[in-house]
Amino acid sequence: RKEVEQDPGPFNVPEGATVAFNCTYSNSASQSFFWYRQDCRKEPKLLMSVYSSGNEDGRFTAQLNRASQYISLLIRDSKLSDSATYLCVVNRGGATNKLIFGTGTLLAVQP
Amino acid sequence: DTGVSQNPRHKITKRGQNVTFRCDPISEHNRLYWYRQTLGQGPEFLTYFQNEAQLEKSRLLSDRFSAERPKGSFSTLEIQRTEQGDSAMYLCASSLGQPDYNSPLHFGNGTRLTVT
Repeated sequence: RKEVEQDPGPFNVPEGATVAFNCTYSNSASQSFFWYRQDCRKEPKLLMSVYSSGNEDGRFTAQLNRASQYISLLIRDSKLSDSATYLCVVNRGGATNKLIFGTGTLLAVQP
Repeated sequence: DTGVSQNPRHKITKRGQNVTFRCDPISEHNRLYWYRQTLGQGPEFLTYFQNEAQLEKSRLLSDRFSAERPKGSFSTLEIQRTEQGDSAMYLCASSLGQPDYNSPLHFGNGTRLTVT
């Protein structure tokens, strides 16, 4: 079982739709959580951090449920430019200070 | 441009050859990470440095792989006796301290290796 699991998709949605991605992580000691966006053949870029209280950045809302070890990302009013792969990322913390990436969820927003 | 820089962008090599990639992190960042990414997968951790010290290596990093960061600035990743299975995107990233909410991890645009 992978340490960070995501549905690979693809999610095909029309413009203006609301879409949600989920992610689970297996290490209960994980300390910090992020969503990265990766465009085709480009490097990953930080989209937003995910805080315990949940947080919002414009059309994007991230939620964290530590008890269930579950992270989500909600995108409202999807734009064509949102088409990308969304990577769920966890900092395992402790002596192993590195980010662990999920396989990513591919989003295709259709006109 | 003050971001993470990687060279070359693309490398095509024949099986059995050695290749070396270079990464220049953001100048004040003391942490430098190497990841590998294949099609349809997320980046997989290979190794990381804090300053010049290599603190962790993944099981993915066979003895054909070696990484250095001799002066705590740029880093090199060498693959000896390349195999077709080494074909991937090699991503370098850097952060100021532990990658966390206040010190995000920044990636370079990667070196795409093709082994024929």
